[in-house]
Amino acid sequence: EDQVTQSPEALRLQEGESSSLNCSYTVSGLRGLFWYRQDPGKGPEFLFTLYSAGEEKEKERLKATLTKKESFLHITAPKPEDSATYLCAVGGGSNYKLTFGKGTLLTVNP
Amino acid sequence: ETGVTQTPRHLVMGMTNKKSLKCEQHLGHNAMYWYKQSAKKPLELMFVYNFKEQTENNSVPSRFSPECPNSSHLFLHLHTLQPEDSALYLCASSPSGGNQPQHFGDGTRLSIL
Repeated sequence: EDQVTQSPEALRLQEGESSSLNCSYTVSGLRGLFWYRQDPGKGPEFLFTLYSAGEEKEKERLKATLTKKESFLHITAPKPEDSATYLCAVGGGSNYKLTFGKGTLLTVNP
Repeated sequence: ETGVTQTPRHLVMGMTNKKSLKCEQHLGHNAMYWYKQSAKKPLELMFVYNFKEQTENNSVPSRFSPECPNSSHLFLHLHTLQPEDSALYLCASSPSGGNQPQHFGDGTRLSIL
């Protein structure tokens, strides 16, 4: 059974204080690892897909990396508008099912 | 309209009521999904439709009944729900399965009295 564990559960940063979120996974045949951002009262918003170990993707202040066991979402010089819950999901054996982690609640204080 | 649209955004119903949730996608995708999101729990996949055919039913109780009349529309019919069914119900779509990302609507917040 595919499993995803995200850490920490919650992270509080000062504006400009860089940090990383972790997503550890076990999966039978990785189809892709997906990062989403979810704001309160909204659905998850797609950020990145990573397909193989060593791959990296960037978008503004966010950078996602992937190894065979985990993925990191690096946040460089965050701003208050980066505050959200960040979700990690993996696609494994099933052609359609994504297994999600519980998410990391990020709060960036001005 | 673009993206994935869900209606209603909020729904309060008694345990004996019957209601339906609606999802519409304007992305030209072929696969559509229903998820349940409860506090402190990961998103749980409920149903998957690909080209209008149900491909997955994740052991969901029969009080939840999905319907997919075409690749753009998805419904979730609800009847005799339980208080533990109170949650955010999210619809998503993707071009097909495989390694393509799913795109979500903003959900229906369901409260069972």
